[in-house]
Amino acid sequence: GDSVTQMEGPVTLSEEAFLTINCTYTATGYPSLFWYVQYPGEGLQLLLKATKADDKGSNKGFEATYRKETTSFHLEKGSVQVSDSAVYFCALSETNQGGKLIFGQGTELSVKP
Amino acid sequence: EAQVTQNPRYLITVTGKKLTVTCSQNMNHEYMSWYRQDPGLGLRQIYYSMNVEVTDKGDVPEGYKVSRKEKRNFPLILESPSPNQTSLYFCASSLSRVSHEQYFGPGTRLTVT
Repeated sequence: GDSVTQMEGPVTLSEEAFLTINCTYTATGYPSLFWYVQYPGEGLQLLLKATKADDKGSNKGFEATYRKETTSFHLEKGSVQVSDSAVYFCALSETNQGGKLIFGQGTELSVKP
Repeated sequence: EAQVTQNPRYLITVTGKKLTVTCSQNMNHEYMSWYRQDPGLGLRQIYYSMNVEVTDKGDVPEGYKVSRKEKRNFPLILESPSPNQTSLYFCASSLSRVSHEQYFGPGTRLTVT
């Protein structure tokens, strides 16, 4: 079945460092891809999305490009801030699966001043 | 304010004692679902509902029940909780099953002893 694999955390960076969180997926069809962020004690929030190959999603300085040839959707940010400390989830959704989101295991990011 | 609310936020109970976690959304969304979050496993879907009186199983439905009598509410029922249902639970809603953004509640942390 469909699945999402993320790089393991925790990831610890200094403020203003470059961030990459790897995400690869396995899907039978043509899924939409998402990054969700979970701040401490809160629910998940959609960070960005891409619905077809070569689409780039972006929000709050974060970017991810839907790469069909490598089945990847890596999250990047050029300069992280302490306020970016959170858990990041990569997810996919296929319309033939009732709208279900399939999540990766999550990657915890800690940014130190 | 558009939101998904869950109650209670924290619950400690004993094996076999029936409980209900409520979920309500004020966005007139058709699609609602429940997920559980466990360390190293990400979020997994328990049940979902595409509209009033329409519910279906997700990936991990065993030991849970749901109902959708009104569009705004989607309670999760544990008839006889067991320790393996100790987890963090999230309710989510979206405009429809093909909508690309799901809105998550703040979570309910359940401990079954």
